[in-house]
Amino acid sequence: AQKITQTQPGMFVQEKEAVTLDCTYDTSDQSYGLFWYKQPSSGEMIFLIYQGSYDEQNATEGRYSLNFQKARKSANLVISASQLGDSAMYFCAMRERGGNNAGNMLTFGGGTRLMVKP
Amino acid sequence: DVKVTQSSRYLVKRTGEKVFLECVQDMDHENMFWYRQDPGLGLRLIYFSYDVKMKEKGDIPEGYSVSREKKERFSLILESASTNQTSMYLCASSYRPRLAIFYEQYFGPGTRLTVT
Repeated sequence: AQKITQTQPGMFVQEKEAVTLDCTYDTSDQSYGLFWYKQPSSGEMIFLIYQGSYDEQNATEGRYSLNFQKARKSANLVISASQLGDSAMYFCAMRERGGNNAGNMLTFGGGTRLMVKP
Repeated sequence: DVKVTQSSRYLVKRTGEKVFLECVQDMDHENMFWYRQDPGLGLRLIYFSYDVKMKEKGDIPEGYSVSREKKERFSLILESASTNQTSMYLCASSYRPRLAIFYEQYFGPGTRLTVT
């Protein structure tokens, strides 16, 4: 079964509007972390935001916030006031506590391509 | 700033050739990773190394091998390249905490490999 599911292969948003990128995950670990990365057309992966499974508050980082719903196993990324430079691929990823070296690994979703319209 | 560099941004090889992709990090990280990125599939882990000469298979190791002779360098080897290995290859590194969950993986710029 997929551990990380991003159901939106592509999305458009109007400049200055907010947009939500969906991410659902599957784990039996109690301790895990969820990450969002941005990949512009240049190819580099840029870390955006992190949410730990025990964090009570939703993570925020500037215009990025994470809508964490633990019972639903969802960790949606919200980008407020979209800018043209936000056009990119966005990946949701999870790290589980696991055992041995499993806790060192990230599992990625398939990604969502966001396109911001002027 | 953490820097992860990859030897080539673009590479074109012929079927059957032996291909080496090199990755170097300058932050003394214990962990290094090789991923393959394909449209709709996201990033899939090929191999992971947690120390010099130590490696673990990821989700898709078939057709690949790795080498880590020095801490800062992690090489991905395609013994006999095939057209289905045409893809974007991303290297990453991180330190190796014992208990923490939150720590970043730092990525290189990627190598787009085409096998003809």
